[in-house]
Amino acid sequence: AQSVTQLGSHVSVSEGALVLLRCNYSSSVPPYLFWYVQYPNQGLQLLLKYTSAATLVKGINGFEAEFKKSETSFHLTKPSAHMSDAAEYFCAVSNGGANSKLTFGKGITLSVRP
Amino acid sequence: DAGITQSPRHKVTETGTPVTLRCHQTENHRYMYWYRQDPGHGLRLIHYSYGVKDTDKGEVSDGYSVSRSKTEDFLLTLESATSSQTSVYFCAISESSRQGALNTEAFFGQGTRLTVV
Repeated sequence: AQSVTQLGSHVSVSEGALVLLRCNYSSSVPPYLFWYVQYPNQGLQLLLKYTSAATLVKGINGFEAEFKKSETSFHLTKPSAHMSDAAEYFCAVSNGGANSKLTFGKGITLSVRP
Repeated sequence: DAGITQSPRHKVTETGTPVTLRCHQTENHRYMYWYRQDPGHGLRLIHYSYGVKDTDKGEVSDGYSVSRSKTEDFLLTLESATSSQTSVYFCAISESSRQGALNTEAFFGQGTRLTVV
C-alpha cells in the first residue's frame, strides 16, 4: 500500500521568506511523486513531479522539490515567498504499477504575510 | 488546459435521492478518477477507471457507484444521497507513458459542489 504524510495543516511565512512544505511517503516500490497546488474555488494544478530521473525537480512558479530515498521524503521549497503563493498544497504518490492510482496527502494551507 | 468538464458544477439535493455527476474528457486518456475533498481529509479516492468498463474501488467507495461506457465519460452515482456525502467532488484524468505505469500527472476538473439537505 502507498501513503503520503503531510505534517501540520497550516504554514505561515512572511513575504520574501523561505517556503518549506514537508511530505513523507510510503511505498513498497519505487514511487512517482507529485506536488499539486489548489487556489480557492479551483481544481488542482500540477507544480512538479518526480519520475525517477533527477532527484532535484524544478517546477512552476519557482518551486522545487528534492527526492530523498533514505528519508522517504519529497519536501517542497521556494526560496522567496510571494503573496500569490497563498494556496493549499497537496503531495501525492503513485506506485506506477498496473492500474496504479494517485494517493494524496491531507494538504497544507500556505499563508503569506505582507 | 486539459479538456475536462464536470457537470453539474453545483447541486443541492435531498437526502435519499439518487444523484449522478458526470465527468467528460476530450483528451482520450485511459485513466479517470473520482475524488471527494473535505476539510482535514484532503482528497480521497472514491472510484477509478483504467479503461472502458474497467473500474475499481478507492478508499471511500461505500454509497457510490460508477460507470464508464465510453472513453470520454465517467459517471459517479450516489445511490441514495446522505448528508455525509456533502462535499466537493473532483474528476481527474491521466495517461501512462508505458503500459500499465502511471508516471505522468493527473489533470483535474473544476469540481462539483454537492450539498445534501
